Amino acid sequence: GQQLNQSPQSMFIQEGEDVSMNCTSSSIFNTWLWYKQDPGEGPVLLIALYKAGELTSNGRLTAQFGITRKDSFLNISASIPSDVGIYFCAGQLYNAGNMLTFGGGTRLMVKP
Amino acid sequence: NAGVTQTPKFQVLKTGQSMTLQCAQDMNHEYMSWYRQDPGMGLRLIHYSVGAGITDQGEVPNGYNVSRSTTEDFPLRLLSAAPSQTSVYFCASSYRTPDQPQHFGDGTRLSIL
Repeated sequence: GQQLNQSPQSMFIQEGEDVSMNCTSSSIFNTWLWYKQDPGEGPVLLIALYKAGELTSNGRLTAQFGITRKDSFLNISASIPSDVGIYFCAGQLYNAGNMLTFGGGTRLMVKP
Repeated sequence: NAGVTQTPKFQVLKTGQSMTLQCAQDMNHEYMSWYRQDPGMGLRLIHYSVGAGITDQGEVPNGYNVSRSTTEDFPLRLLSAAPSQTSVYFCASSYRTPDQPQHFGDGTRLSIL
């Protein structure tokens, strides 16, 4: 199946620092999504990107849909302790039930 | 508004046993799907459904069955549990239109001994 390469696998940063993570794919997607997962819970949607080149913000989060439709990045500015969790990128195809292909996740740890 | 509800939250099985993981959504979503999440990996699609009476295989369907008799429910059946099926299982649902994101349940943590 398709693979999404997400990096870095983990990050340990100081509170207040900015964070950047990205995903690349060998195939194109119609939509790129970024989810956050807290322990014991399901993924929660943070940002959805629908057009190549689109740059979208949600509070301190900013994400971009790559021009080639094969990559995306997520930036978190001025990190806070509640940003701790696992962040997943996902590519979506509009056929086949809007199914998602996930990256391996980035585990973010924030030191107060 | 309950969203996507999964039961049970935890389950321990012995190898060879069968069981059904339940998933229900109250948002009248056409699309539903099952994913499994293994340590250090992203979620992988097991089966999905685009509407009542219609199901199809995802990336890792072997050892699992699904059915969609109603819009609201999408149960996942393990026919003969194996240790390799130890995982966290997530159900998700969405509207049919392409710009509608998937909503996830809180997962079922399954251990096969």
